Amino acid sequence: AQTVTQSQPEMSVQEAETVTLSCTYDTSESDYYLFWYKQPPSRQMILVIRQEAYKQQNATENRFSVNFQKAAKSFSLKISDSQLGDAAMYFCAYRTPNTGANSKLTFGKGITLSVRP
Amino acid sequence: KAGVTQTPRYLIKTRGQQVTLSCSPISGHRSVSWYQQTPGQGLQFLFEYFSETQRNKGNFPGRFSGRQFSNSRSEMNVSTLELGDSALYLCASSLGVDLYGYTFGSGTRLTVV
Repeated sequence: AQTVTQSQPEMSVQEAETVTLSCTYDTSESDYYLFWYKQPPSRQMILVIRQEAYKQQNATENRFSVNFQKAAKSFSLKISDSQLGDAAMYFCAYRTPNTGANSKLTFGKGITLSVRP
Repeated sequence: KAGVTQTPRYLIKTRGQQVTLSCSPISGHRSVSWYQQTPGQGLQFLFEYFSETQRNKGNFPGRFSGRQFSNSRSEMNVSTLELGDSALYLCASSLGVDLYGYTFGSGTRLTVV
């Protein structure tokens, strides 16, 4: 079974600084998708960024970028120029590309990010 | 376009009762998934429905069930509630073929007393 591990329960960053959130996963599959979701106090899970395992290029979305190391099964999220609105819980998630029996997201435990003004 | 709508937002029930939660997906989305979120266990997959058929099921007891209607709206039901069922229940919708296009609702906070 696939597992996702986020070992840091909490992190803090100064506004305008850069922070990196760590995630490792375990799978025997060669093709899969990885995601970072943000959950603010409003509770809605918001997709931050996604990465296809077959792509060597790291995904980037504005201030958010990932460092995807397939061999090491590592998928970290870098937030540049941190803003107060970035404060939230961040979840790393994994999914196989198959529909049917494996069509689900497997989440890590999450990390609470606080942003200091 | 409207997002994923979950009702109610909050719910308080007594042990032994049953509860039904509702999820209206984004228009055109045929897949609806349900997740349970608790501080101890994190986010756990309950089940997924696609075109009114359960396509995948997580490791939850039979007290947890769901269904999907022809308009893609989904309901999940929990019978014989236990204190441990207190959680945030999140619904996510997708086209079902776009394998990573999930959109989540804001959840239903269920408290069992």
